[in-house]
Amino acid sequence: AQSVTQLDSHVSVSEGTPVLLRCNYSSSYSPSLFWYVQHPNKGLQLLLKYTSAATLVKGINGFEAEFKKSETSFHLTKPSAHMSDAAEYFCVVSDGSGGYNKLIFGAGTRLAVHP
Amino acid sequence: NAGVTQTPKFQVLKTGQSMTLQCAQDMNHNSMYWYRQDPGMGLRLIYYSASEGTTDKGEVPNGYNVSRLNKREFSLRLESAAPSQTSVYFCASSLGDSVYSGNTIYFGEGSWLTVV
Repeated sequence: AQSVTQLDSHVSVSEGTPVLLRCNYSSSYSPSLFWYVQHPNKGLQLLLKYTSAATLVKGINGFEAEFKKSETSFHLTKPSAHMSDAAEYFCVVSDGSGGYNKLIFGAGTRLAVHP
Repeated sequence: NAGVTQTPKFQVLKTGQSMTLQCAQDMNHNSMYWYRQDPGMGLRLIYYSASEGTTDKGEVPNGYNVSRLNKREFSLRLESAAPSQTSVYFCASSLGDSVYSGNTIYFGEGSWLTVV
């Protein structure tokens, strides 16, 4: 069975410092992994996705994530936080075992960015 | 650049009332989805439609019905609303129903529903 654990419910950083949002997954198959961002009162926007190509995935707005099979992790990073990065971030896994585009969402990490 | 459009954005219902959430996408996608989002939890799939003319249950279908009206539109109906259905509802769509085809799911902006 698939599952996703986001290790921090809240992360707070200062503007200009690095961001690290941690995600561990469990999957019986070769998973596809995603990070989505949700700004307040908005829908979810895809940041990046891993679908068995390069293990280091670059996304929008300077974010990237590295797929580490041995650690079953897919942590999201950004070298320098911007105020506009304040939002909720969701790590998502899918292995296609449901026969459809079944996504399993983590509980989310709320990122706060301070001046 | 409409993408996925949901209506209404906000709604307050009394227990036992019925209502329909409407969703339309203009990306010529085959698959559409309804999710709910509750505090401290990620999104959970209520129903999905892999293609026009088909619908299937997701993780939390109880208390809901859906209709895939045509390729563009996928509605979610609450026949007799309960306080447990207070949530934020998201409609989404994707070109196909397999993540291995690289299909990205695109989300609407959400519908905030309160049942009192």
